[in-house]
Amino acid sequence: KAGVTQTPRYLIKTRGQQVTLSCSPISGHRSVSWYQQTPGQGLQFLFEYFSETQRNKGNFPGRFSGRQFSNSRSEMNVSTLELGDSALYLCASSRGTSGGTDTQYFGPGTRLTVL
Amino acid sequence: GQSLEQPSEVTAVEGAIVQINCTYQTSGFYGLSWYQQHDGGAPTFLSYNALDGLEETGRFSSFLSRSDSYGYLLLQELQMKDSASYFCAVSPANNLFFGTGTRLTVIP
Repeated sequence: KAGVTQTPRYLIKTRGQQVTLSCSPISGHRSVSWYQQTPGQGLQFLFEYFSETQRNKGNFPGRFSGRQFSNSRSEMNVSTLELGDSALYLCASSRGTSGGTDTQYFGPGTRLTVL
Repeated sequence: GQSLEQPSEVTAVEGAIVQINCTYQTSGFYGLSWYQQHDGGAPTFLSYNALDGLEETGRFSSFLSRSDSYGYLLLQELQMKDSASYFCAVSPANNLFFGTGTRLTVIP
């Protein structure tokens, strides 16, 4: 079974631009969660999508948004990029049907650098 | 709010046993998970405790005590490839709230 895939793997943007990252979950998984990882703040939850609806949300500004398509693929968008948005963005997929007990499987991440 | 504290660094000898602790303050969660992350890699699931007690998966064991707000990951027969960062995480819903992470260095 193929794992979680993320594209692109690396991205360089400048301040003020916007960026869209993509995540394809494991086949059969309906939940996709997004996380930001930085050396200073560690791994932080952004949001979770299940059946095309945002089900849970972390504590990030509205510049961070996402969506999920009918095939469970998900995208996240960051608008008006700031230097502090430089991070590894990870997505994780799970079945999403067992509350908080499902194992989350992570993709390789997208390394975003904002100049 | 939620917080999970871990030691920032641990060093252990190849073949030995090491314990990585996780103390938490959280209002409620389904279970405690442990993930391993090598430099430049993705977090990989290691173990999960829904109930108090010990869970064993090969060389890895994990323990949870909800009454003590405490858990740990035990790695036995350490190998050089175990050098990585380890994160505990709670699942308040279908998402993970991660601890501060522990960098484990295994030395010969």
